Amino acid sequence: AQTIHQWPVAEIKAVGSPLSLGCTIKGKSSPNLYWYWQATGGTLQQLFYSITVGQVESVVQLNLSASRPKDDQFILSTEKLLLSHSGFYLCAWSWFSAETLYFGSGTRLTVL
Amino acid sequence: GDSVTQTEGLVTLTEGLPVMLNCTYQTIYSNPFLFWYVHYLNESPRLLLKSSTDNKRTEHQGFHATLHKSSSSFHLQKSSAQLSDSALYYCALSPHYGGSGNKLIFGTGTLLSVKP
Repeated sequence: AQTIHQWPVAEIKAVGSPLSLGCTIKGKSSPNLYWYWQATGGTLQQLFYSITVGQVESVVQLNLSASRPKDDQFILSTEKLLLSHSGFYLCAWSWFSAETLYFGSGTRLTVL
Repeated sequence: GDSVTQTEGLVTLTEGLPVMLNCTYQTIYSNPFLFWYVHYLNESPRLLLKSSTDNKRTEHQGFHATLHKSSSSFHLQKSSAQLSDSALYYCALSPHYGGSGNKLIFGTGTLLSVKP
């Protein structure tokens, strides 16, 4: 069975500090991987997607970057956090595009 | 551009009453995929229903929805609400299979609160 592990569960960070969020998928080779973000009171927005190692496409520009260093790992990062980065970040995977998304448990980020 | 509209931010129901959560969408593509995801408190969002077939009812866990391309709608229904149905429900659109960006567009979500 496939499992998705997202870390950390929650972060409280200062404006201007760096950030790294991670996601690991086990039990599925070469999944499509996604990062989603939900601002407080907002909807889920796709930030990045990746269909293969080393290849990441940006969907929304939020001064964030993503990388896929391994087939089963997806990293979201920035060198300088903004207040507007606060929210809920979800990693997800799918078998194919337009198919079912399987979400991680999410990371609650508060930027002060 | 592509979009999903969920008109109700909060729906409060008494247990046993029928549920209807509205979802309409906009896309220029003729064969979209529509999804309902459910997000229970302290759990990950997960798929509840999906469809790409016009006028065909799809059911799962007591919920059902029918994609109507003529009205660009995919409303979620259940005949009798249960306390355990309380959750955040997202309608989502994939404009076309294998579309560029592998993009799923979510509505703003409807929080369903079922009271005894």
